[in-house]
Formats: sequence, structure tokens, C-alpha cells
Amino acid sequence: DTGVSQDPRHKITKRGQNVTFRCDPISEHNRLYWYRQTLGQGPEFLTYFQNEAQLEKSRLLSDRFSAERPKGSFSTLEIQRTEQGDSAMYLCASSLGVTREKLFFGSGTQLSVL
Amino acid sequence: DQQVKQNSPSLSVQEGRISILNCDYTNSMFDYFLWYKKYPAEGPTFLISISSIKDKNEDGRFTVFLNKSAKHLSLHIVPSQPGDSAVYFCAASSLSMEYGNKLVFGAGTILRVKS
Repeated sequence: DTGVSQDPRHKITKRGQNVTFRCDPISEHNRLYWYRQTLGQGPEFLTYFQNEAQLEKSRLLSDRFSAERPKGSFSTLEIQRTEQGDSAMYLCASSLGVTREKLFFGSGTQLSVL
Repeated sequence: DQQVKQNSPSLSVQEGRISILNCDYTNSMFDYFLWYKKYPAEGPTFLISISSIKDKNEDGRFTVFLNKSAKHLSLHIVPSQPGDSAVYFCAASSLSMEYGNKLVFGAGTILRVKS
């Protein structure tokens, strides 16, 4: 399977703990996106990378959130001091990086903060 | 401020009939539109797209119509099949600096195709 893979699929944590998610994009894709989806809503943009450079961050991405993409391959999204409002599906997507392109999404990581 | 709206949370259609899913947008800077389909426990998968220079794009059973003056697009599925039962998301993008390369999604419509 050469699609976008995300790990873990599910994460349950207690409020105040730190969590880290990983995304492995399609190998030839140089753009990588993080989105968040809550129940009854569509995916909301968080941030995106062009190779290893983080080019844009949403206002939704508070200072408790940090994303990295070392060497322009896989990416990690860390949430520090989790809050119950962080409970959501975190989706990663990748693309070739051309204009008018479609994104390829992973299956997501479902985070539950108790 | 929802810039992409899908006002029907759900739609139920008989197998073999047409499914019509609607989407409205408010920002005239949007000029490229996509539909994604999402099954439970999976990520969204791309279905079909349309550029603002067109008013129709067709791919097999799926056709997307764009009415720029009304800021409205619709997805037609003919004939509908039980395997089409999923959540459908409308998404929009713009080449403007404000939107960069991200997609703005609607809240989705749950389609149920009854056999």
C-alpha cells in the first residue's frame, strides 16, 4: 500500500498529557498537510509543509501545537498539555505540489482527551 | 464564518435513482472546487473537481455542476448504488495569497442509498 499512512489510529489520553502523531506521505509528494475534523464538521486546515519548510499555519494551531517535517519526508504533530477540546480526528494529507491538485488523505488519528 | 456550506446534513435515495448533493460558497475568490467521499474509519478520498472556467464536469456516474453567479455547486450521482453511501464533502480553493494551497471544506452530507 503506497497511500498516506498515519500512526496511531486511535489515541486516548488524559488531560494535560502530551501526544505525538506521525504521518508518512506518499513518497513522491512534496506537500504535506495537517487537518482536524470534529464530529459533524468538515476537515479544518491546521498547517502545511513544502518539503521540510512549514509554509502556513492556521489560527487554530495554538502554541500548544507543533508540527515538524524533518528531511521533507514523514511529519509529526505534537500537542502539549492536551485539553478536552483537542478531541478530534487529525488527518494528514499529501500532494505533488502542483497548482490545482487534489489531496490524498490518510485514515487519520482519532484523539480522545479524557 | 462558514465559507463553504452544505445545508443538507443527510440525504436518503433509492438505489438506481439520482442523488443530488448541494454546496454553496460565499467567497468569490474561490475558483476551484472538489468533492470528496468519506467512509467510516477512512480518510476522505477525491471524487471529482471543477474549475471556475467550466460549468460542468463529468466522470462516469458523477457530474459536478457549477453556477458561479449563484455561488452554488452540485454533485449528481446517477444511478445511485448502495456502495455510494458515505459522507460527501464539498471543498474549495483559491490561488489568492490569502488561501494559499489549502482546501476549505463544508460540513458534509451523509448520503444513504437504500437497496
